[in-house]
Formats: sequence, C-alpha cells, structure tokens
Amino acid sequence: DVKVTQSSRYLVKRTGEKVFLECVQDMDHENMFWYRQDPGLGLRLIYFSYDVKMKEKGDIPEGYSVSREKKERFSLILESASTNQTSMYLCASSPYKGPLSNQPQHFGDGTRLSIL
Amino acid sequence: AQSVAQPEDQVNVAEGNPLTVKCTYSVSGNPYLFWYVQYPNRGLQFLLKYITGDNLVKGSYGFEAEFNKSQTSFHLKKPSALVSDSALYFCAVRRYTGGFKTIFGAGTRLFVKA
Repeated sequence: DVKVTQSSRYLVKRTGEKVFLECVQDMDHENMFWYRQDPGLGLRLIYFSYDVKMKEKGDIPEGYSVSREKKERFSLILESASTNQTSMYLCASSPYKGPLSNQPQHFGDGTRLSIL
Repeated sequence: AQSVAQPEDQVNVAEGNPLTVKCTYSVSGNPYLFWYVQYPNRGLQFLLKYITGDNLVKGSYGFEAEFNKSQTSFHLKKPSALVSDSALYFCAVRRYTGGFKTIFGAGTRLFVKA
C-alpha cells in the first residue's frame, strides 16, 4: 500500500513565523501535491510537482512556496505565516502515466495548522 | 468556468436504506471523474473512478457511481447504507488547463443513522 506521511498532525505557530510542512511518500511516485482544506470550500491546490526540483503553482499559491530536493519528499513553506493560513493541509502523491493519466491520488492524514 | 458541484452539504439516511450523493460537473471535453471519502482526522481515500466505457462504475466498500453525460452528473450510490459509511465524500474531476489538474467539489457529509 502507498504510504504518504505528513510529519505533524497538529501544529501551532505565531503570525510572521516561517513554517515548514513536510511530506514523504514511499512508492516512488513522480507527482506530489499540496492542498488546503477548508469547510465549504473543499480542497484547493496550492502547488504541485511532477519531478525533482520541478514545481508549478496551483490555484492559491500566494504566501506559500515549495521545495522538492528528493523524489520522495515535498515540503510546503509558509514564508511569513498569517492567521488566514490557519487550515488543514493535505499532501498527496500519484504516479505519472503521461499527460492523460487517470491515476487517483494517495493522501496523507493531513496537518491541522493554527496560526495565532 | 470549469467546476464541480456537490449540491447537498449533508445527506441523512437510515441504515439499510439506499444512499445517493450527488455530483455535477462543468468541464470541457471528456473528463476523468473520481469519488473520494474522508473519515474523521484522516486524509482522503480513493473510492472509484470513471474513465470511459460502462456508465456504471463499481468501487470500494460496495459503492458505485453512475456517469450521465447528458446531465453531466456522476452520482455516488450504495444499495444498503451502513453506519460506518458516515463520512465526508468528495467528487473530483481531472481537467486540462494547459496542464492536467484535479479539481474537487466542496464535499458532502453523509450521516447514516442506526
């Protein structure tokens, strides 16, 4: 079974701090994703990556950056945390099977981040 | 605009009764459609997908979904609900926007009462 592990289940940080959320997958997947989940809004894509050192902006990248130095690890960075970034953050991975890939995504259990 | 709609925030059903969770989409071309389930304090789990072919797709835990191209719908169904089916359900569509991305509906919370 694919395992996507997010380093923290709960995290509390202060406004202005630089925050790192880590995600590791163990199935050699090429694609990795960061979403935030808010009630009534579903999942919104922040950033994704199709390969090492490659990244693309999703729908809501403002205030975030990412790093993918190794294939199995995809980090989300909040450059200067603000209270409106309080949310559930979900990491996901999937294998790359070409641009028409129909492979589902595999999700971690999420990090519930509170910014005070 | 390309979008996914789950018109019901919440669905209530008695155990043993059939359940339906609705999803409609507005996406150009032939989309790939997915259903995911989320249990409390967990990430999303894949249930089933429609790619092409038979309009009735069977998935995990006894769930199935019916694709209707003319109505642009992909409703999730189960003939007999269990209390353990109570969870948050997400419909998702894979779309092309100069690259391929998956967009998710807002989610529908299913309550199954014993």
